[in-house]
Amino acid sequence: QKEVEQDPGPLSVPEGAIVSLNCTYSNSAFQYFMWYRQYSRKGPELLMYTYSSGNKEDGRFTAQVDKSSKYISLFIRDSQPSDSATYLCAMSAGAGNMLTFGGGTRLMVKP
Amino acid sequence: GAVVSQHPSRVICKSGTSVKIECRSLDFQATTMFWYRQFPKKSLMLMATSNEGSKATYEQGVEKDKFLINHASLTLSTLTVTSAHPEDSSFYICSARGGGQGVNYGYTFGSGTRLTVV
Repeated sequence: QKEVEQDPGPLSVPEGAIVSLNCTYSNSAFQYFMWYRQYSRKGPELLMYTYSSGNKEDGRFTAQVDKSSKYISLFIRDSQPSDSATYLCAMSAGAGNMLTFGGGTRLMVKP
Repeated sequence: GAVVSQHPSRVICKSGTSVKIECRSLDFQATTMFWYRQFPKKSLMLMATSNEGSKATYEQGVEKDKFLINHASLTLSTLTVTSAHPEDSSFYICSARGGGQGVNYGYTFGSGTRLTVV
């Protein structure tokens, strides 16, 4: 079993839809949770991060962490074609520790 | 914000030759750099962790003699793929730690290098 599981997709949605991306993990030591967006042939860029359980909102993006279920989510509201990319969840046990990545979910937002 | 420059962005080389990829932190000192490899439609696979002035720590299964990592200064780390073979063709990404505070814990990624060995 992988330490971090993420549905690879692809996930195809119409423009304006609400997108839900998820990851599950097995290591209860993880405390820091991040979502990265990666466009084709580019390096990942940080979208959101959350410490421990809870929600965090930034514009159209909302990150949720449920440590009791070992489940994290990223919601994208009013999705745009420019949101089409691969979304990677990542987590670590401590600030500055090595990141463990999920496999990434490919999202396609159709105009 | 913190910027990591990685180059070349794309390189094609002949089998048996060596290729060097550079990763530079432009506006901060990177105490630690990470090198990842990514296959098509796959996630990032950590290859090694390098700390300035010391030997890199390689992940299990990564050949240290094939993937030479040098982190000679706080702003530069290099990955050299020696005696490249077609199976080394991949997307290589570096990440530097030490440039940010708070939100990203100082992890900044380079834009990646696509290596094709023919």
